[in-house]
Amino acid sequence: NAGVTQTPKFQVLKTGQSMTLQCAQDMNHNSMYWYRQDPGMGLRLIYYSASEGTTDKGEVPNGYNVSRLNKREFSLRLESAAPSQTSVYFCASSATGVRETQYFGPGTRLLVL
Amino acid sequence: GQQLNQSPQSMFIQEGEDVSMNCTSSSIFNTWLWYKQDPGEGPVLLIALYKAGELTSNGRLTAQFGITRKDSFLNISASIPSDVGIYFCAGHNAGGTSYGKLTFGQGTILTVHP
Repeated sequence: NAGVTQTPKFQVLKTGQSMTLQCAQDMNHNSMYWYRQDPGMGLRLIYYSASEGTTDKGEVPNGYNVSRLNKREFSLRLESAAPSQTSVYFCASSATGVRETQYFGPGTRLLVL
Repeated sequence: GQQLNQSPQSMFIQEGEDVSMNCTSSSIFNTWLWYKQDPGEGPVLLIALYKAGELTSNGRLTAQFGITRKDSFLNISASIPSDVGIYFCAGHNAGGTSYGKLTFGQGTILTVHP
């Protein structure tokens, strides 16, 4: 049981390049989330998907797009990377309900030059 | 919007000492979660609290859901070097547009000296 997995672990991009961060969970969870973590800013929600087929903006969605490919997979796309998007990105999932408990992946460390 | 104040921001303690940290919110939560993050890793869930007044332990860790539902506390007893890391609190309100979304504290950086 792997929980939440993310690929890649590290990535270096040049400004303007695009890339997709992949996330998968094997816990049969309905909801999935993308966060970014920056020093002094804590964890900030980018986008989330409450269930398969739905996505919604979080706190900091600008410059990102997401796709809920199926119940297991939720990808985050940077169409034109900017240095301000240098961060550590975490995917999380939860069963969703009154008792909300999210489980996190190991993260993707992204550097945009 | 909702805000969480987590304190202290950092702690430097000797091995064997007890540790206390807390989070306070401007709003009521239905769930309080405590996570630990090791360097280069993702947050790992330590304790989940679902009911006001609830006191839950996980080994040397004990957390409490405040009676007002606006605060939570985490205690670590007899600290050891592997307790080093960043501890985050997170709150969840199941109602309205907040459904499914967590609000995170800024984290407490714990350093344990052998």
